[in-house]
Amino acid sequence: AQSVTQLDSQVPVFEEAPVELRCNYSSSVSVYLFWYVQYPNQGLQLLLKYLSGSTLVKGINGFEAEFNKSQTSFHLRKPSVHISDTAEYFCAVVAGNNRKLIWGLGTSLAVNP
Amino acid sequence: DTAVSQTPKYLVTQMGNDKSIKCEQNLGHDTMYWYKQDSKKFLKIMFSYNNKELIINETVPNRFSPKSPDKAHLNLHINSLELGDSAVYFCASSQVSSEAFFGQGTRLTVV
Repeated sequence: AQSVTQLDSQVPVFEEAPVELRCNYSSSVSVYLFWYVQYPNQGLQLLLKYLSGSTLVKGINGFEAEFNKSQTSFHLRKPSVHISDTAEYFCAVVAGNNRKLIWGLGTSLAVNP
Repeated sequence: DTAVSQTPKYLVTQMGNDKSIKCEQNLGHDTMYWYKQDSKKFLKIMFSYNNKELIINETVPNRFSPKSPDKAHLNLHINSLELGDSAVYFCASSQVSSEAFFGQGTRLTVV
């Protein structure tokens, strides 16, 4: 069965510092990978996705993620965060042609001045 | 023009009442979902419909009943509301094996 692990439930960071939010998955078949962001009291918004091709994926708001098949990881990075990046971040996986997104438990990113 | 819209945004009701949440998507997607997000932010899928057909039905009390009159609409009806039903409910839509687009959520508070 597929599963997604977000290794950090909370990540505090200072403004303009780099950040990495970690995501590992388990699947025996090929996967599609997603990162979503949820700002306070809002719905989920897609940050970026990996479907195929280049393993380095660039998304909105300066975020990027790298698909590492051997390590079954899809870590999210940003070189310099802003206060406005404070939000909940979710990693999700779809395996093969399954319609079911498997979600991580989320990482709460808190950017402090 | 909102892609996935759900109403109402807020819903406060008493225990034992019956309530409905409506969802519509104008993206032409075949698949729609209902998710429940609890106070710890955990996202739990409840139901999924593909072209009006139920394809995912997770372990959800029978008091929850989804209805899809057409592939652009997926409504959620909840009978005999309980305190534990308080949560944010999200509607979403997608094409197969692609990203899901979410509505803004309905914050349900049962008192």
